[in-house]
Amino acid sequence: QLQLQESGPGLVKPSETLSLTCTVSGGSISSGSYYWGWIRQSPGTGLEWFGSIFSSGATYNNPSLKSRVTISVDTSNNHFSLKLSSVTTADTALYYCVRHVISPGSTDYFDYWGQGALVTVSA
Amino acid sequence: QSVLTQPPSVSAAPGQKVTISCSGSSSNIGDNFVSWYLQLPGTAPKLLIYDNHQRPSGIPDRFSGSKSGTSATLGITGLQTGDEAIYYCGTRDSSLSALVFGGGTKLTVL
Repeated sequence: QLQLQESGPGLVKPSETLSLTCTVSGGSISSGSYYWGWIRQSPGTGLEWFGSIFSSGATYNNPSLKSRVTISVDTSNNHFSLKLSSVTTADTALYYCVRHVISPGSTDYFDYWGQGALVTVSA
Repeated sequence: QSVLTQPPSVSAAPGQKVTISCSGSSSNIGDNFVSWYLQLPGTAPKLLIYDNHQRPSGIPDRFSGSKSGTSATLGITGLQTGDEAIYYCGTRDSSLSALVFGGGTKLTVL
């Protein structure tokens, strides 16, 4: 059974960089044709997709956030990470890591989700 | 506000059927497959429907999905109190080059 688990600081100061890691267990990040992504959820903006990464390092990012977002993958440790720079209080949210199924036939969906990590931006 | 439009809430009695709509445009629903997710209180969203109408393993056939033009619909039959949750639709938006979601619909089983 594939499982995803987010980890990282729950409190980040404004203007600093938010960093989260998603550890994948029960399967290899490198197996199959899956991307691995990040989605956040807040009362103000609902569900918002940040971007996704393939095991090769190829990324597929949300252009609206691209300038602040870095997604990386570490296949040797079976995890992938999110960095969001210059955070503000508007970035306070529940952050989920997900497995992202993409195919050339225009399909996109997220079939496995982590339990979520609450990140608060506050001085 | 969200790119995809869903009603904020729907309700129905146990055993009845309910439908939840998801409205978009030619650049998102009109051009791509739709997925649906259910979020029970205090938990992460869970995939319910993908590719407009496909159900992942373990999802009962009480749940169905359809798409027509720039709108999609989730149907739930034989409603149970355990179906009370927030339901989200999602798809790719070709113009935005991003994955987008609806604002969510809270289902109440009266």
